Amino acid sequence: EVQLLESGGGLVQPGGSLRLSCAASGFTFRDYAVTWVRHVAGTGLEWVSTISASGDRTYYAESVKGRFTISRDNSKNTLYLQMNSLRAEDTAIYYCAKGTFIDYWGQGVPVTVSS
Amino acid sequence: EIMMTQSPATLSVSPGERATLSCRASQSISRNLVWYQQKPGQAPRLLIYAASTRAPAFPGRFSGSGSGTEFTLTISNLQSEDFAIYYCQQYNNWPLTFGRGTKVEI
Repeated sequence: EVQLLESGGGLVQPGGSLRLSCAASGFTFRDYAVTWVRHVAGTGLEWVSTISASGDRTYYAESVKGRFTISRDNSKNTLYLQMNSLRAEDTAIYYCAKGTFIDYWGQGVPVTVSS
Repeated sequence: EIMMTQSPATLSVSPGERATLSCRASQSISRNLVWYQQKPGQAPRLLIYAASTRAPAFPGRFSGSGSGTEFTLTISNLQSEDFAIYYCQQYNNWPLTFGRGTKVEI
């Protein structure tokens, strides 16, 4: 059974940082690209970032480019999202997801950016 | 960036009826389109990929069609568990982009 378990969310002040982690199991993690998607209340789903299977290619939404960094550790079956210079508009539920068209989603982790 | 436009924003239907949801891409995406179903408080679930291939977890009353820029999700004989928000997403080009969703309600 494929499982994606996010952690690291919480409340942070504007300008602060958070690091999200996603522990994957139930599939050969190193064979798949993985993605972060966020759900902003009242707005819908927004793609944030994707990293290739080997980690040599990364892609970012314009809204997070230069502030967020996606990475992975295939030896630990873990995906990361380092989020710096956080803004109120980054407040959302963040989902870890398998693939570029996403066949499995984590349950999501809330991130709230507020003073 | 490819814009994905979903219509209508809200669709009011009764159980047993058919619902037709539309998704339009601002440029051709071939058949590189997926549909997701999301219920309140839950993660989205893959419903349709490659425009028309249904995910195993969903019954045959769900069907997808289209190519290029025009896509349709049809839900026949709506059941109570089908009331949810449906999103389309293109994976033909970077950045990946989602539509804003169609809420199917009673």
